Amino acid sequence: ILNVEQSPQSLHVQEGDSTNFTCSFPSSNFYALHWYRWETAKSPEALFVMTLNGDEKKKGRISATLNTKEGYSYLYIKGSQPEDSATYLCAFNNQGGKLIFGQGTELSVKP
Amino acid sequence: DAGVIQSPRHEVTEMGQEVTLRCKPISGHNSLFWYRQTMMRGLELLIYFNNNVPIDDSGMPEDRFSAKMPNASFSTLKIQPSEPRDSAVYFCASSSRRGDYGYTFGSGTRLTVV
Repeated sequence: ILNVEQSPQSLHVQEGDSTNFTCSFPSSNFYALHWYRWETAKSPEALFVMTLNGDEKKKGRISATLNTKEGYSYLYIKGSQPEDSATYLCAFNNQGGKLIFGQGTELSVKP
Repeated sequence: DAGVIQSPRHEVTEMGQEVTLRCKPISGHNSLFWYRQTMMRGLELLIYFNNNVPIDDSGMPEDRFSAKMPNASFSTLKIQPSEPRDSAVYFCASSSRRGDYGYTFGSGTRLTVV
């Protein structure tokens, strides 16, 4: 059974705070780790796809790191804004081609 | 490209009726996925296709569910007969090159079975 765990389940921060979430995944048969941003009433949108151990990716104020040997990834948001409020999903892509999603971290940023 | 197109956006049906959900993937994407979103389980993978061939249907809940991909530009997910516990949002997604650029999701179909 492929298990992808995310923590925390939800997070409430003030505008301007920096925050980070954790995603843990199986360390065997690794192909890629995806992060998605999912706003209410919309569909998930890809943020990052990471494949190499030690990968770091950045898009504006959002960045992510990857450790495939120990099976975890962190997503960081610097200086959170209300428009960052969304559910952030990570997903593990094994060598069989399936993308298995975690339950997500629901972020709420208060002005 | 208009993205992944799903229809209908909303479907309300009575228990026992047949329901067909439709998906048009992005042109050139060779993989297509059907997911179901529920409060309890989050996003569950039901089935996926590579080059129109079903690869893994282990997530399909039971025999009432079936999926087809007759060509590269169209897929259906059918539930027959439908039950109230099938009520959920069903997403279709497509990707190229094993998802190296991420998956593109459709807007989803919200199914309510009464």
